[in-house]
Amino acid sequence: TQLLEQSPQFLSIQEGENLTVYCNSSSVFSSLQWYRQEPGEGPVLLVTVVTGGEVKKLKRLTFQFGDARKDSSLHITAAQPGDTGLYLCAGGMDDYKLSFGAGTTVTVRA
Amino acid sequence: DTGVSQDPRHKITKRGQNVTFRCDPISEHNRLYWYRQTLGQGPEFLTYFQNEAQLEKSRLLSDRFSAERPKGSFSTLEIQRTEQGDSAMYLCASSSFNEQYFGPGTRLTVT
Repeated sequence: TQLLEQSPQFLSIQEGENLTVYCNSSSVFSSLQWYRQEPGEGPVLLVTVVTGGEVKKLKRLTFQFGDARKDSSLHITAAQPGDTGLYLCAGGMDDYKLSFGAGTTVTVRA
Repeated sequence: DTGVSQDPRHKITKRGQNVTFRCDPISEHNRLYWYRQTLGQGPEFLTYFQNEAQLEKSRLLSDRFSAERPKGSFSTLEIQRTEQGDSAMYLCASSSFNEQYFGPGTRLTVT
């Protein structure tokens, strides 16, 4: 049982379109992290958000942490084939271990 | 520093054999974590070290699993008497604060 629910599970879009991935929980997290994972590789950290309502932008990626620190979203503008991958959100409740969602598989078609 | 490294990247073993995996964390990180990831799921926490002390073990870590981090540097994860259900990607991560950086993982296949 995973504390974080991600939606949608799969997302396939055309290059140049926008997409949003959601991460929801009934638990409050002290921090929330987004990772991208390629097949056969470990997750790569994209961003960490720690403050309720926080918005971070990294080039075409926008991350938002909910006011109550229970949910988050990842928005990609003008998606490119290089954005293809498994996107994972992970919540930190204690000082150490992370609880992950099951992930959203994003496919961007050229 | 080149990041977290794991060895081997792939391991195929027969049921009942023992296997050992190694993780070398980012050098200045004092915290080291092991996770397990199965197909279609996110990583699940197994155990955590702060320096050489193992501070928590998940219920997922049965008696057949043991992890060590001698001298607070590299870590090993050993699985004894492997079972087919142990087939998974075993991930190691390290951190100094709340941001965890993952290695490439070891893919274990038990036949």
